[in-house]
Amino acid sequence: KQEVTQIPAALSVPEGENLVLNCSFTDSAIYNLQWFRQDPGKGLTSLLLIQSSQREQTSGRLNASLDKSSGRSTLYIAASQPGDSATYLCAVQGNQFYFGTGTSLTVIP
Amino acid sequence: EPEVTQTPSHQVTQMGQEVILRCVPISNHLYFYWYRQILGQKVEFLVSFYNNEISEKSEIFDDQFSVERPDGSNFTLKIRSTKLEDSAMYFCASSVVLAKNIQYFGAGTRLSVL
Repeated sequence: KQEVTQIPAALSVPEGENLVLNCSFTDSAIYNLQWFRQDPGKGLTSLLLIQSSQREQTSGRLNASLDKSSGRSTLYIAASQPGDSATYLCAVQGNQFYFGTGTSLTVIP
Repeated sequence: EPEVTQTPSHQVTQMGQEVILRCVPISNHLYFYWYRQILGQKVEFLVSFYNNEISEKSEIFDDQFSVERPDGSNFTLKIRSTKLEDSAMYFCASSVVLAKNIQYFGAGTRLSVL
């Protein structure tokens, strides 16, 4: 069964800092990997989707990479802002969808 | 911007009662999903639905659960006889196609079973 792990579980950084969130998965037979943002009491907002044939995707200050063979993905956030504070989830899609445990990010003004 | 809407936002029910959670996916989307998130735990996949039938379901989605698209716009999740452990946030999502497009999530329905 697919296992998705995210480290660190929590991260606190000063505003303006660049940061990296990590996601690892055990089964490389995936269709895609998605990074989501979850705000307290809210639904999930998709940030980036990387197809299994792709290596990275970029959107604004966000860059996600995928190394399917090693079962790893990273989400890079440049010049962090207080509004980036949220929980970040990665999810992989095989026949089913598996979410990681999330990284709770706090950006301190 | 189109969005997935879920109703109600909070549902309180007694153990053993049936509940129906409702979702209106984005209109041109073809795939629909239900997930749940027990407080403090991971988001868990329940079921995916396409062309009026279930395409995948997880081991969580047992005979107590069912899904339906009763008309052209609604997508529902029914829990026949709720248990205390069904208390969770239930999210509906939709996508244009299965693997190549992002999933759009609703804000969720918080189900509290007493």
